Amino acid sequence: EAEVAQSPRYKITEKSQAVAFWCDPISGHATLYWYRQILGQGPELLVQFQDESVVDDSQLPKDRFSAERLKGVDSTLKIQPAELGDSAMYLCASSFGVAGGEDTQYFGPGTRLTVL
Amino acid sequence: QKEVEQDPGPLSVPEGAIVSLNCTYSNSAFQYFMWYRQYSRKGPELLMYTYSSGNKEDGRFTAQVDKSSKYISLFIRDSQPSDSATYLCAINSGAGSYQLTFGKGTKLSVIP
Repeated sequence: EAEVAQSPRYKITEKSQAVAFWCDPISGHATLYWYRQILGQGPELLVQFQDESVVDDSQLPKDRFSAERLKGVDSTLKIQPAELGDSAMYLCASSFGVAGGEDTQYFGPGTRLTVL
Repeated sequence: QKEVEQDPGPLSVPEGAIVSLNCTYSNSAFQYFMWYRQYSRKGPELLMYTYSSGNKEDGRFTAQVDKSSKYISLFIRDSQPSDSATYLCAINSGAGSYQLTFGKGTKLSVIP
């Protein structure tokens, strides 16, 4: 069964350092999402891509976060510099991109970031 | 008021019990309602999907939507220890939007 791949699974870094997360969506999925999930909370959308284009990055803290999906396939999320409050699970999800709600999002295992 | 409210629990039940998990929402435009299950240190996986009001059953799981009350429920019959996880409700407004609004999740433990 096809899955969304993410790496690394765990990342520990010191504040002010740069970190990067990678996501490989399910083959054929045009839409890719990055979510942040703080412990005890539901996932919150950071950025949404349709193919290589950003559809929504209104919740992405652009002073320190950046995301790209250059060839419309895999994607990278970067944080520079990392802050203590960035400690969270970063989830990637993908879907075919059918508008109207009938579009199942499949999640990867996530990257758990700890900022010291 | 948050768009989606969900009691975080934790909820602990004995094996075999019927479990009821609930969410309320504020935006009457929401049309698509989902329940995700998230095991510890894993990503969420889609469990149930419902459009508009009504019930949907899948094995031991039943999803229920009451749009007049803006209330959604997930029932688990004959709960098993393997059902121990966090259950997240997620809602989509449809109308060309792909985005999901999640509840906080309810942590469920089924005790053997």
